[in-house]
This record gives sequence, C-alpha cells and structure tokens, in this order.
Amino acid sequence: RKEVEQDPGPFNVPEGATVAFNCTYSNSASQSFFWYRQDCRKEPKLLMSVYSSGNEDGRFTAQLNRASQYISLLIRDSKLSDSATYLCVVNGYTGGFKTIFGAGTRLFVKA
Amino acid sequence: ETGVTQSPTHLIKTRGQQVTLRCSSQSGHNTVSWYQQALGQGPQFIFQYYREEENGRGNFPPRFSGLQFPNYSSELNVNALELDDSALYLCASSFSATSGETQYFGPGTRLLVL
Repeated sequence: RKEVEQDPGPFNVPEGATVAFNCTYSNSASQSFFWYRQDCRKEPKLLMSVYSSGNEDGRFTAQLNRASQYISLLIRDSKLSDSATYLCVVNGYTGGFKTIFGAGTRLFVKA
Repeated sequence: ETGVTQSPTHLIKTRGQQVTLRCSSQSGHNTVSWYQQALGQGPQFIFQYYREEENGRGNFPPRFSGLQFPNYSSELNVNALELDDSALYLCASSFSATSGETQYFGPGTRLLVL
C-alpha cells in the first residue's frame, strides 16, 4: 500500500462543474497536509494548507479527517485555468523530516 | 516567481557518470529539500538540509548525497548514474524545517541518462 494515495484520474469536467479530489495517507503520526498544483512541465506550487477545521479560499475548499486519514479538495465553478495536476502532500517526522507527495490527479476543464 | 533557482536547466549524462545539481534558496529561507520526479509521478523526497545538516532522508541509496552551504544554497550529487535516474530534479526552500512550512519550488533540472 502506498503511503499517500490519490484518485488516479484523469478527471474531465465542463466549465462550471464542481470537482472533488480525494487522498488517503497511511501514517497516523503525520503532522501537516497540503494540496499543491502542478502545471504541465512546471514546478509544483502551493494551493492550500489543510486543517482539521477545514479551510476555504475562494472556489477551493480543503478538508482533513484525521480519524479516517483522509484529505479532500473541492473546486467549485471550475475554470479552464484550473486544468492542472493536483498533488496531495503529507509531512511528518519519522527519524527525521519526511514529506510524501501523492502521484497526483490530473484535471482537464473543457469549455 | 518563487525566487528559488536551479542550475543547470537540462543535462545529459551517460550511465556510470557523476552529476552535481545546484539550488539557490529563496532569500530568508534556511531549509532546502530535494526531490526526484519521474514522468507521470509525484515528486519523491530525496533529503532535506537545515542549517547545513541533513534533517531527513527518503528512500534513496547513498549514491545520492547533498550539501548545504552557509548561504543556504545546496547541491545534490548523484554518483554512478543509472538509466532510471533520468527525471526532473526539483529543489524547494522553506523558511524553516518545521513540517507545517510551505515549500517553494525551483523550476527543476531535467536529467537524461543515456
């Protein structure tokens, strides 16, 4: 079992749609959680940090469920510019700092 | 732009050779992490340096080694290159080594091993 697993994708959605990404992690001692966005042939960029209380930034909402070891990202009113790969990231300390990226879920938003 | 720079942008090596990749961290950041990203995969954590010391390491063999300098720039060295080492190598800097810090990535170095 992978330490961080994401929906395999790709997701193909029309503009205006709502899309949800899911991510599970295996290490219950994990401490910090993020969603990063990566455009084709570019570096990853932080989209949002994820907290147990949930957090929202415009059309984006992220949620963490520590009991189920599950992270989600919701994008409302999808735009063409949202087309990218979304990476789930889990950080912690296990004999030193460790960060694990999921394999990513590719999103295509079409007109 | 994040302010994190990497050099070179592209590199071609042959199997068995050695390579050194360089990263300059964003101003004010004392922590640098290195990643390997194969095509179609997420970045895989190689190691992290905090104030010139290795602060954590992923599942990479010892032929992957690194350094961090007093100005917090960093190098990744890979010895005895293998074909599977062909990938995008990313560095990321952060303000500190705490797990909750945002990482700011450089544009990466694309390495091809023939």
